[in-house]
Amino acid sequence: ILNVEQSPQSLHVQEGDSTNFTCSFPSSNFYALHWYRWETAKSPEALFVMTLNGDEKKKGRISATLNTKEGYSYLYIKGSQPEDSATYLCASPLYSGGGADGLTFGKGTHLIIQP
Amino acid sequence: EPEVTQTPSHQVTQMGQEVILRCVPISNHLYFYWYRQILGQKVEFLVSFYNNEISEKSEIFDDQFSVERPDGSNFTLKIRSTKLEDSAMYFCASSASSSYNEQFFGPGTRLTVL
Repeated sequence: ILNVEQSPQSLHVQEGDSTNFTCSFPSSNFYALHWYRWETAKSPEALFVMTLNGDEKKKGRISATLNTKEGYSYLYIKGSQPEDSATYLCASPLYSGGGADGLTFGKGTHLIIQP
Repeated sequence: EPEVTQTPSHQVTQMGQEVILRCVPISNHLYFYWYRQILGQKVEFLVSFYNNEISEKSEIFDDQFSVERPDGSNFTLKIRSTKLEDSAMYFCASSASSSYNEQFFGPGTRLTVL
């Protein structure tokens, strides 16, 4: 069973500053890495699914990188805005194989943007 | 934009009672999942479903749990005899394809077992 870890657990950032946080996962038998954004009282919303070592994905001011050899992914937010306040979850499938793989989640990084 | 829906949003039940949580996945998706989050803990995988059968299940998904796709649109999770420790937020998710694809989550059902 995979162990997915995230750090820090929570983060306070001033509006306009850039920030980043980490997801680590076992590098053996890697299959895919998912990032989700979860606002209070809403559903988790998919940001990225990353599969290849060196992958870099971007959506607006949010980007992510992936290092499968050392087992980590970074999520970056450039020029933080109050609407970026949320919990950011990373997750990886329990089994490789391309089937209906359930995700193992980290505990999340709770991001608070202060005006 | 298509979305996953879940009913009810909140269910309160007595210990030992059966509950059925309902989900309507996105219509052209083929893979369906149930997850739960006990307050203060990680989101945990329960079960995945594909081609009208369970694809994978975690150790949490014991004989008290079952899933069904009774028609072309609904996907249900049944807990036969609820325990206090089943109190959690239960999320349904669906995806178009395998783990390469993002999973779309519903808003969740908060289950409270008294």
